[in-house]
Amino acid sequence: QVLLVQSGAEVKKPGASVNVSCKTSGYRFTSYYMHWVRQAPGQRFEWLGWFNPNTGGTQYARKFQGRVTMTRDTSIATAYMELRGLRSDDTAVYHCARVGVAGPPFYDNWGQGTLVTVSS
Amino acid sequence: EIVMTQSPATLSVSPGERATLSCRASQTVNSNLAWYQQKPGQVPRLLIYGAYIRATGIPDRFSGSGSGTEFTLTISSLQSEDFAVYYCQQYSDWPPLTFGGGTKVEIK
Repeated sequence: QVLLVQSGAEVKKPGASVNVSCKTSGYRFTSYYMHWVRQAPGQRFEWLGWFNPNTGGTQYARKFQGRVTMTRDTSIATAYMELRGLRSDDTAVYHCARVGVAGPPFYDNWGQGTLVTVSS
Repeated sequence: EIVMTQSPATLSVSPGERATLSCRASQTVNSNLAWYQQKPGQVPRLLIYGAYIRATGIPDRFSGSGSGTEFTLTISSLQSEDFAVYYCQQYSDWPPLTFGGGTKVEIK
């Protein structure tokens, strides 16, 4: 059974950073890309980027370049997403979602989501 | 960036009736379109990819159609568990991947 289990909710002040983890099981971690998407309250899903756990390669959405970093720890099959310089409009539920290396980027396995609240 | 527009925002349907949801792309996405269902407090569930291919375990009352810029998700006979929010997503021209704003299907 494929599982993506994310870290718990976070409350951060403006300007701070947040690091969300996504621990995987039930499949070969390095054989699937990891994408990150978010959904702010009442808003549509927004794509942040993807990460290749095998090579460490990344591609970030232009909107988040310079503020986001995606990494992994292959020894524990866990992906991470760090977002810096948080603003109130970064308040959202952040999801990890896996995509096959050769597959088109739609999502059949999602993490449960991590609520990040940015508030002074 | 391709903008995805869904209509209507809210659809009121009686159980057993047919529901028809629309998704329009600002430029062609060919058949590179997926549909998701999301219930409150749950993660999205993949229903359709490739515009019309049902994902594993999805009942055949869900069907997708269209190509290019106009797409439709049809639920042939609404069951109680189908009341949810539905999103479309294009994966033709990216980055970025983009999603529609969603259609809420509610009980009439």
